[in-house]
Amino acid sequence: SAVISQKPSRDICQRGTSLTIQCQVDSQVTMMFWYRQQPGQSLTLIATANQGSEATYESGFVIDKFPISRPNLTFSTLTVSNMSPEDSSIYLCSVEGARDESYTEAFFGQGTRLTVV
Amino acid sequence: DAKTTQPPSMDCAEGRAANLPCNHSTISGNEYVYWYRQIHSQGPQYIIHGLKNNETNEMASLIITEDRKSSTLILPHATLRDTAVYYCIVSNAGGTSYGKLTFGQGTILTVHP
Repeated sequence: SAVISQKPSRDICQRGTSLTIQCQVDSQVTMMFWYRQQPGQSLTLIATANQGSEATYESGFVIDKFPISRPNLTFSTLTVSNMSPEDSSIYLCSVEGARDESYTEAFFGQGTRLTVV
Repeated sequence: DAKTTQPPSMDCAEGRAANLPCNHSTISGNEYVYWYRQIHSQGPQYIIHGLKNNETNEMASLIITEDRKSSTLILPHATLRDTAVYYCIVSNAGGTSYGKLTFGQGTILTVHP
C-alpha cells in the first residue's frame, strides 16, 4: 500500500496568484498522477508525472497553467498559476501501488481544497 | 478505457444489502472492472476489482455478467458510513497506464437509518 500526504489541505487564494500543492508518498513510485475535482463533479486527470522527465498533460490542461515538478521518486508538486475563481476545485494526488503480488490499485491523497476569490 | 454507465443516485436502508449496477458494454477482453468510492471530503478509496469471475473481499462482492457487459457491486450490510459516491471504472491492470483512471459521474449511495 501507499500513504500519501498532501499539503496544504485547503487554501483560500486571491485571483491572479499561484499556489503550489505538495504530494509526499511513503514509498518510491514510478508515476504520480494529479487530478482535479470541480465542485459537484467527478475527478478529471490533469497530468502524469514521471521522475526525470516532463509531465504528460491531458487534453485541456497545459504546462503554463499547471506546472508540475517531480524531483524524486517520493515527491511531486502541482502549481496552479494565475488563478481565477474557475480554478476553485479539489486537487488530488494519486499513485499506483501494489496491494499484494497479484495486482495494483490506485491510492489517493486526501486532496487540497482550493477556493479562489 | 471503456466508458461506464451508472445510475446517478440510490438509496438503501441501514443493514440491508446495497446493489449498485454498472454497464460497461464496450469493455475489451483485457480490461478489468474496478470499483472505488469517495466519502465526502476524502480521496477515492479502492473497494474491489475483477476480470470475469465474481469476487468477494472484506468490503464487498462484485458480480460480473458472463458477457462482461455489466456488473453489480454488493455491499451486503450497508451502514451509514457507506454513504459515498461509488465509481465503476474499467481499466487495464498492471500496465504502466494503470494509475490513469477515467472516472465517470458515479452513483451517490445514501444509506439511511
